[in-house]
Amino acid sequence: DIQMTQSPSSLSASVGDRVIITCRASHSISNYLNWYQQKSGKAPKLLIYAASNLHSGVPSRFSGSRSGTDFTLTISNLQPEDFATYYCQQSYTSPGTFGQGTTVEIK
Amino acid sequence: QGQLVESGGGLVKPAGSLRLSCTASGFTFSDCYMSWIRQAPGKGLEWISYISGSGSTAYYADSVKGRFTISRDNAKNSLFLQMNSLRADDTAVYYCARTWASRADFDLWGQGTLVTVSS
Repeated sequence: DIQMTQSPSSLSASVGDRVIITCRASHSISNYLNWYQQKSGKAPKLLIYAASNLHSGVPSRFSGSRSGTDFTLTISNLQPEDFATYYCQQSYTSPGTFGQGTTVEIK
Repeated sequence: QGQLVESGGGLVKPAGSLRLSCTASGFTFSDCYMSWIRQAPGKGLEWISYISGSGSTAYYADSVKGRFTISRDNAKNSLFLQMNSLRADDTAVYYCARTWASRADFDLWGQGTLVTVSS
């Protein structure tokens, strides 16, 4: 199975900050990398698909990029509603493994 | 854009069985792969099974292979997960999720249904 290593596992940030979350794949996955946001007690929501494509309705302060097997999710100008847990997920092969998650907390 | 509603969760004893359902609305159900993804309490996400739009192809994670069976009824816009030989480590919230045939992501999720395996 392809392993997805997400970092950091948690971070504290303030409203207005720029936040970067990284995800490294154990093997090449091309652009088959998705990002999800999950708020406490709720189902995950798709933010970014295919490494850098913004899902419909997602604010433009969210962006994704790829460099080899390293992927980043960037949140520019962090908003109060962005405090949540973020997961990366590879969809290159089955099983479509998720990273362990990054919790963004209020500083 | 669609809605998914899971049902069927509950408390079951170890070695017991449970059948989860996911009812879809607002989109052409048969055009989509459907998956079950679970989340143990306080833990991350685990993709456990998917089924193709026609129902002809299914995949299972090793953790559930031989115990769980995914199926669908396109006439009723419904997805199912038959869970047998349940263990304590199957305790989780179970989500159904949609993947369009042209994509490889989960763009729509249900609200989840909690399965608790305990004596």
